[in-house]
Amino acid sequence: SYVLTQPSSVSVAPGQTAAIPCGGHNIDRKSVHWYQLRPGRAPVLVIYNDNDRPSGIPERFSGSNSGNTATLAISRGEAGDEADYYCQVWDSSSDQWVFGGGTKLTVL
Amino acid sequence: EVQLLESGGGLAQPGGSLRLSCAASGFNFNSHAVSWVRQAPGKGLEWVSGIRGSGGSAYYADSVKGRFTMSRDNSKNTLYLQMASLRAEDTAIYYCAKEYYAESSEGSFFQNWGQGTLVTVSS
Repeated sequence: SYVLTQPSSVSVAPGQTAAIPCGGHNIDRKSVHWYQLRPGRAPVLVIYNDNDRPSGIPERFSGSNSGNTATLAISRGEAGDEADYYCQVWDSSSDQWVFGGGTKLTVL
Repeated sequence: EVQLLESGGGLAQPGGSLRLSCAASGFNFNSHAVSWVRQAPGKGLEWVSGIRGSGGSAYYADSVKGRFTMSRDNSKNTLYLQMASLRAEDTAIYYCAKEYYAESSEGSFFQNWGQGTLVTVSS
């Protein structure tokens, strides 16, 4: 089955840009979605179809997808961005949704 | 406003059963596929199962295939997850999530999520 690989943690200084990678074989042939998960809250979709933002998500959030890596970028990082972030794709070969292992973003 | 409200979580014995429900409101329920996703303590998100807007056959993660059964009642705007042969590793918060499309997951994504219900499997 398809595997998505994320680093367990990423740190960013306030005001700087955080980049969270999501690796997968020929992932650029798939649509990648990103979710934010904070403790005690429902997951929130922050990027869909590689680089589209749902309404209500700040422009600071953006996505890209090339080759074997998709990336979530968060510019002008702030304390409120601290959360776990998960990438997701649909694996049509197995008819299953696949999540990456998640990346904990720390703003310090 | 889209709302997804899970219920039915609680404590179950290993080998036991539990049925989760997810009540949906604020959107045309049968126009969207829906999925169950779980998060075990200290672990990441794991997709569990999904079902198309029209109902019919559900599709499952390998970890629950043969033990869990997902269904929906479009007349009641409600989603169900019947869990059997429960194991300690099924302990998790279970979320229901609304997909963008009704009948295809290609290009779809999880637009909205519920708050989750906690399932604990322990003797």
